[in-house]
Amino acid sequence: AQSVTQLDSHVSVSEGTPVLLRCNYSSSYSPSLFWYVQHPNKGLQLLLKYTSAATLVKGINGFEAEFKKSETSFHLTKPSAHMSDAAEYFCVVSHGVQGNLIFGKGTKLSVKP
Amino acid sequence: DAGITQSPRHKVTETGTPVTLRCHQTENHRYMYWYRQDPGHGLRLIHYSYGVKDTDKGEVSDGYSVSRSKTEDFLLTLESATSSQTSVYFCAISEVEGRRIEQYFGPGTRLTVT
Repeated sequence: AQSVTQLDSHVSVSEGTPVLLRCNYSSSYSPSLFWYVQHPNKGLQLLLKYTSAATLVKGINGFEAEFKKSETSFHLTKPSAHMSDAAEYFCVVSHGVQGNLIFGKGTKLSVKP
Repeated sequence: DAGITQSPRHKVTETGTPVTLRCHQTENHRYMYWYRQDPGHGLRLIHYSYGVKDTDKGEVSDGYSVSRSKTEDFLLTLESATSSQTSVYFCAISEVEGRRIEQYFGPGTRLTVT
C-alpha cells in the first residue's frame, strides 16, 4: 500500500536561511511523488513532481526535491527562505493505475523576519 | 491557474439538511475529484469521476454522493448533513489518468454544519 509521512508538522525558519521539509514515502512500486503548497485560505498549487526521470527535481519559486530510493525520502528544500514562502506544504504520492493521490498531513512553514 | 471554480465558497447549514456543492471546469479535462481537508489529515479523496456518468468511491465516501452529467460539472451532495462533515472541500481535475499525472485544484468550499 502507498503512504506518505511528513516528519514535521511545523517548521520555523528565519528569512534568508535554508528550508528543509521532510517527507518519507511507502510504495509497492516505483512511485510518483509531488509537493503541493497551500497559502492561507487558498487552494493547492503544484510545486514540483517526480515521475522516475531525474532524481533531483526543480520546481517553482526556487524549491527543489531529491528522490532517494534507498532512504524512501523525497525532502523539499530551498536555499533561502522568503516571507512569501510561509504556507502549508503537502507531500503526495500517487496511488494505483488511476493515479489517485494520497496526501501527507502537511507541514506548516513559518518564516520569521 | 487551471480554470476551476467552486460554488458556493462558504456555506453554513443545519444538521439533517441536504447540501450540494458544485465544481465547474473550463479545461475540458476528463477526470474530476472531490476531496475534504481537515486539520491533521491532509486531503482525503471522497469520490472521483473518469467521465460523464462514470464515478467511483474514494477513501471517505460514506454520507456523500456525486453526479456528473456534463464534462464541465461535478456535483457533490450531502444527503443529510452531519457535524462531522464540517470541512473544507476541494475539487480537482486532471487531463488523463495515471500515476505520473498531477491534479489541479479549485479554491475550495468551506462548509459548516451546525
